[in-house]
Amino acid sequence: KQEVTQIPAALSVPEGENLVLNCSFTDSAIYNLQWFRQDPGKGLTSLLLIQSSQREQTSGRLNASLDKSSGRSTLYIAASQPGDSATYLCAVRQNNFNKFYFGSGTKLNVKP
Amino acid sequence: EAGVTQFPSHSVIEKGQTVTLRCDPISGHDNLYWYRRVMGKEIKFLLHFVKESKQDESGMPNNRFLAERTGGTYSTLKVQPAELEDSGVYFCASSLVGGRTTEAFFGQGTRLTVV
Repeated sequence: KQEVTQIPAALSVPEGENLVLNCSFTDSAIYNLQWFRQDPGKGLTSLLLIQSSQREQTSGRLNASLDKSSGRSTLYIAASQPGDSATYLCAVRQNNFNKFYFGSGTKLNVKP
Repeated sequence: EAGVTQFPSHSVIEKGQTVTLRCDPISGHDNLYWYRRVMGKEIKFLLHFVKESKQDESGMPNNRFLAERTGGTYSTLKVQPAELEDSGVYFCASSLVGGRTTEAFFGQGTRLTVV
């Protein structure tokens, strides 16, 4: 059974710092991995989607990497801003239409 | 283009009552998923529709939960009768069938509180 773990559970950094959020999964036979952001009381916003054949994806200040063989993904946020404060969730899929397995998230606080 | 829309955004009901949650997926998305997050836990899968058919309902906790997707458009999730442990946030997601990528889009969730 797939299990997804995110470390750390919470992170507080000063504005401007570069930071890395970690995600690990127990079954490396994934189809894709998606990073989401959730603001308090809001839904999930998709940040980056990495297919199993890809090594990384970039969008603006965000870069997500995937090492399928070791069961790891990282989300790198450059030059963090207070507006980046949110909970970041990692989720994996075993095949094209299958359900997501979610991690419990990393709650990020970027201090002005 | 409208995103995934869920109604209501909040619902407070008494134990034993019935509640129906609704999800309107993105137009043209045949895949529709229900998930929920109970307090302190990770988001967990409930079930998956492809059009009007239930593809996977392995995550449904018990027979008090009934999901429908008549006509393959919007979906409803009914909880009857509701219990205290059903409290949580219920998310709906949709995605395209086929295509090179299958990015899933989530709604804002329905926060259900059973008192």
